[in-house]
Amino acid sequence: EVQLAESGGGLVQPGRSLKLSCAASGFTFSDYYMAWVRQAPTKGLEWVASISYDGGSTYYRDSVKGRFTISRDNAKSSLYLQMDSLRSEDTATYYCTTDLAYWGQGTLVTVSS
Amino acid sequence: DVLMTQTPVSLPVSLGGQVSISCRSSQSLVHSDGNTYLHWYLQKPGQSPQLLIYRVSNRFSGVPDRFSGSGSGTDFTLKISRVEPEDLGVYYCLQSTHFPWTFGGGTKLELK
Repeated sequence: EVQLAESGGGLVQPGRSLKLSCAASGFTFSDYYMAWVRQAPTKGLEWVASISYDGGSTYYRDSVKGRFTISRDNAKSSLYLQMDSLRSEDTATYYCTTDLAYWGQGTLVTVSS
Repeated sequence: DVLMTQTPVSLPVSLGGQVSISCRSSQSLVHSDGNTYLHWYLQKPGQSPQLLIYRVSNRFSGVPDRFSGSGSGTDFTLKISRVEPEDLGVYYCLQSTHFPWTFGGGTKLELK
């Protein structure tokens, strides 16, 4: 059974950093593109970033480019999202997803002073 | 960015009924590899999104055949027949042909 478990969310002040993790199991992690998608409270879904099988290619939405870094460790079947210079508009539940098919339960990031 | 316009925003339905949700893109979703990366999701209250249909018309594992997707180019439709209580929630379309990947605004399926 495919399982994705996000962690690392919490309350953080504007301008600070946070690193999200996603632990994957039940499938061959290195066979899949991975992505982060977020959802602000009561809002719709928004793609954040994607990473290729080996981490050699990464893609970001413009609003996070230069502030967020997606990475993966295939040996640990784990996906990461390093978030720097956080802003209030980054407040959202962050989901990791395997190639948009399977999704975790999400981790809430709240950026507030 | 590709704009995904989903209609209607709200869709009242009676159990056992049939509904359609439209998703239109601001540009063609045909990828250079010939595939069309348009997908449909359902998000039930308090849950993460679940994939229903991938690449326009392919039902994901475990999705009942009451759900069907169709369309091409810029115009796509999700049809749900014989609506059941577990079908209620917010439906989203997503295009992953062009970066940035973009979602429709959502359609809330609710009981009349």
